[in-house]
Order: sequence, then structure tokens, then C-alpha cells
Amino acid sequence: DAKTTQPPSMDCAEGRAANLPCNHSTISGNEYVYWYRQIHSQGPQYIIHGLKNNETNEMASLIITEDRKSSTLILPHATLRDTAVYYCIVLISNFGNEKLTFGTGTRLTIIP
Amino acid sequence: KAGVTQTPRYLIKTRGQQVTLSCSPISGHRSVSWYQQTPGQGLQFLFEYFSETQRNKGNFPGRFSGRQFSNSRSEMNVSTLELGDSALYLCASSMTSGGTDTQYFGPGTRLTVL
Repeated sequence: DAKTTQPPSMDCAEGRAANLPCNHSTISGNEYVYWYRQIHSQGPQYIIHGLKNNETNEMASLIITEDRKSSTLILPHATLRDTAVYYCIVLISNFGNEKLTFGTGTRLTIIP
Repeated sequence: KAGVTQTPRYLIKTRGQQVTLSCSPISGHRSVSWYQQTPGQGLQFLFEYFSETQRNKGNFPGRFSGRQFSNSRSEMNVSTLELGDSALYLCASSMTSGGTDTQYFGPGTRLTVL
């Protein structure tokens, strides 16, 4: 079972920052938070991941709370091409048995 | 460098037939994982191969099998197809197996079983 909770859908105006929350209250100390997105009928695309510190790359920023029980993915200037389902995943790591467990994700719609 | 490629992109089969799907990982990647995506069940992990060995397996019946070749290319086979096997089949590659190595997904093969 996925160990994350995300809102099923969100809207964001084009050009604004999109903030996608994720709750992972049962995360353990050595588990990472990963974010992927899936644009309609395409394969999921890796966005960013982190352990405890905030992370930023060319696509997004990841803010992880100090207690690590929740995180927020930030798309700083959303465009129409950012419309997708966004998945927050806690990597269940049992040495040699790592696998991505996807939940239902958040369907983000960017509105012109 | 080139991304993960999957062939064919679309496939139509009838119940009872068998099907083989192919995945070519990113050059240098040695791990290939397979996933099934359906509207009802979402994205579900099928199995992972690393260095030609199956390292992890999800909760799917034995009709679903796979293999990996020495060049890291992988195939997935589904025998005795059922209507419920209609899905988008995705493969993902990573450099290694283990740890938190990022997986990169291919575009998928959309299988329709009639």
C-alpha cells in the first residue's frame, strides 16, 4: 500500500506557483520522498527527490517539513504543459527490494 | 542520450493468446522494472530485473513473466490473456538495483485484449 496521502485534484492559474502537498506521516528515517508526474497516456517522469533537506532543480522545488511527515512540491511558474497527475512516493527500501509504490496522485490542472 | 524505449507502442490481442513486450533501457542502466497501469488499479509493480536476474516481484499471477538479456534489454510475457490484462505496460530503467537510484520510464505499451 502507498504510504502517502495527496489531494485528488488541484487547479492552478498559468504563471502562478503550483504547490502540491503530500502527507507521509509514517515515513521512516531512511526513506526518501520522490515526486513523479504523468502526462496523459505517457510514462511517468521523474521530477525530484529528497531525504530531509529542501531540494531544488530545474523543474521544481521540494520542501520537506522538519518532522518529515509532509512535503510540498512547488512548480514556480506553472505552464499549461504542467497539467498532469503528480505522484508523491515514499521509497520503500528493504535492501535489494526497492520498488516504487504509486498512490492515486493529484491531478493538477493548469488554467489559462 | 536516448531514453527508455518500448515496443510495440500499441497491441491488440484476443483472449487466450499470449504477448511479448520489449523494453530497451537507457544506455548504461542495468536494472529494468515493469509496471501495469489500469484505470481501476492505478500503477502496480510487476517485477524487476538486474543483471539478468529477477530481484523483486509484485503480486501478479504466474501468467506474467519476464527476462533480461546480457545487454540489459528486457522482455515481458503474458500468457493466456484475459480481458482484465488490458492496460498500459510501462518499463523503467535505473543504473543499479538497490538504494534510491532514480527510475526513468518509457512511453509504455498499450495492450488491448478483446
